[in-house]
Amino acid sequence: QLQLQESGPGLMKPAETLSLTCTVSGGAVRSTTYYWGWIRQPPGKGLEWIGSIYYDGSTYYSPSLKSRLTMSVDTSKNQFSLRMRSVTAADTAVYYCTRQTLRWGSERWGQGTLITVSS
Amino acid sequence: DIQMTQSPSSLSASVGDRVTITCQASQDITRYLNWYQQKPGKAPKLLIYDASSLDTGVPSRFSGSRSGTDFTFTISSMQPEDFATYYCQQYGNLPLTFGGGTKVDIK
Repeated sequence: QLQLQESGPGLMKPAETLSLTCTVSGGAVRSTTYYWGWIRQPPGKGLEWIGSIYYDGSTYYSPSLKSRLTMSVDTSKNQFSLRMRSVTAADTAVYYCTRQTLRWGSERWGQGTLITVSS
Repeated sequence: DIQMTQSPSSLSASVGDRVTITCQASQDITRYLNWYQQKPGKAPKLLIYDASSLDTGVPSRFSGSRSGTDFTFTISSMQPEDFATYYCQQYGNLPLTFGGGTKVDIK
């Protein structure tokens, strides 16, 4: 059974760089039939797509976040990662990693990790 | 970006009720729409893809339909486990965008 597990810092200060990693078990990130994506949800609010990556390193970013984002994939570790520069309080959210079909449906999700940005 | 206008933002229902939620896309996305269910403190769960196809294991009381840029999500008979928040998400064009959500609670 596929499982995804996010790992990240929890609490951050403004202007720092957020680094999140998603470890995949029970399936391979080196797959031609899935994307691997990040979606976030501020407390009490709706869902926002951040970006997605394919196993070959092709990336797709939300235009509103693109200037601050870098996504990568490590097939040897079966992980994919997100870096977001210059975080602010507006980046406080639960961050989910997901497996997405080629139809962009997020059909498997991690449990999510709360990232709080506060001085 | 394609805007997804989801309504209502909340509704109250009883067990056995028929519940309908709508999403309107700001431009043509053909059938490229997903519906998700999210329970408090949990990750969303994909229920429907391609506007009307049920994901594996999803009960048949859930359904979806499309008319032009208007999409409808229906629960034919509410069950206790269906009280949750529901989101639509379009994938007709990047960036992927979500509706604002509909919270379905107990009347």
